[in-house]
Amino acid sequence: RKEVEQDPGPFNVPEGATVAFNCTYSNSASQSFFWYRQDCRKEPKLLMSVYSSGNEDGRFTAQLNRASQYISLLIRDSKLSDSATYLCVVRANQAGTALIFGKGTTLSVSS
Amino acid sequence: NAGVTQTPKFRVLKTGQSMTLLCAQDMNHEYMYWYRQDPGMGLRLIHYSVGEGTTAKGEVPDGYNVSRLKKQNFLLGLESAAPSQTSVYFCASSFVGSGTNPFETQYFGPGTRLLVL
Repeated sequence: RKEVEQDPGPFNVPEGATVAFNCTYSNSASQSFFWYRQDCRKEPKLLMSVYSSGNEDGRFTAQLNRASQYISLLIRDSKLSDSATYLCVVRANQAGTALIFGKGTTLSVSS
Repeated sequence: NAGVTQTPKFRVLKTGQSMTLLCAQDMNHEYMYWYRQDPGMGLRLIHYSVGEGTTAKGEVPDGYNVSRLKKQNFLLGLESAAPSQTSVYFCASSFVGSGTNPFETQYFGPGTRLLVL
């Protein structure tokens, strides 16, 4: 089983739609969780960290289910500018351990 | 404040040639990382550094060497380039790695596109 798995998509949605991405991770010792966004031919950028209690940032909501080793990202009222690849990222809290990236889910929002 | 910069942006090499990719950050970050990104593979860690003068292997270190002689710079070397090393290389840095601040952000450079013929 791969360490971080995501549905690659693509997800094609109209403007204003609500879309949800899911991610599963294999290492039960993982402690930190993130969603990064990567635009075409650009570098990844942090979208939001994922807290145990779930967290919201404007139209974006992230949820964590430790028992199921599952992370989700919900985007409400999709905008054209949300079109990008969304990377699920996990790290175990061990000294020197870097981030493990999922392969990403591609979102295309159309007018 | 330029953040993380990478040099060069694009390079074409012949098999067997060597080159060095330079990463520089001006955020006084302790940790620096080199990743490669290939289609269908996602980002994979090559090497990383937890401070000046220290380096460690990541997931795919073979064929690469690194050096961190100055805190702000992290160099990635290819001793004898192979077509399998054709990729986009991203450098990243973060203030701390793990333990003291589990929610640190990694800041990425714009990438270096390398083609090995």
